[in-house]
Amino acid sequence: GENVEQHPSTLSVQEGDSAVIKCTYSDSASNYFPWYKQELGKGPQLIIDIRSNVGEKKDQRIAVTLNKTAKHFSLHITETQPEDSAVYFCAAIYYGGSQGNLIFGKGTKLSVKP
Amino acid sequence: EAQVTQNPRYLITVTGKKLTVTCSQNMNHEYMSWYRQDPGLGLRQIYYSMNVEVTDKGDVPEGYKVSRKEKRNFPLILESPSPNQTSLYFCASSLYQEQPQHFGDGTRLSIL
Repeated sequence: GENVEQHPSTLSVQEGDSAVIKCTYSDSASNYFPWYKQELGKGPQLIIDIRSNVGEKKDQRIAVTLNKTAKHFSLHITETQPEDSAVYFCAAIYYGGSQGNLIFGKGTKLSVKP
Repeated sequence: EAQVTQNPRYLITVTGKKLTVTCSQNMNHEYMSWYRQDPGLGLRQIYYSMNVEVTDKGDVPEGYKVSRKEKRNFPLILESPSPNQTSLYFCASSLYQEQPQHFGDGTRLSIL
């Protein structure tokens, strides 16, 4: 089945620095790659997503890049702020059966120190 | 306000006592799904539903049941809960499976 590997599992940065989280996937048919942010006591919330027909997408301080050949995609957060501290999950859609289902990475706990 | 509502938010119960966690969405979404979240394992899908009366197993369906009699509701049923089902559960919905999923705030279940 699909396997989504996410690294690192924890990441600590100083406020204002950049943070990068990387994911790899195994199913070459995957074509949808969302990123979710989960704050303490809350459900995951979509922050950005990318489809396989583009290589990069930006939304203010957040960007995602996709390399379909290498089967990896990355989340980039620039000018980090303390409120960026959370657990981030990548996901890839998997077409193992007749339907597509999201397979999640194990998460990255990001800590932004003031 | 667009939202996915789960109830209860917290539940402590005992082995073998049937329980149901309700999930309701007000966005007219076709796709709904249940996940469990365990430390170090991320989010794992239990069951999903493409539409009314259409449900299918995810990665970890053993010990769970679901139903989708109405578009807005997707309850998760534990017929005979066991301690290994102690976890944090999330319901999610999206317009279709390849669209952004909206998650509820979670239900923390403890099975003693």
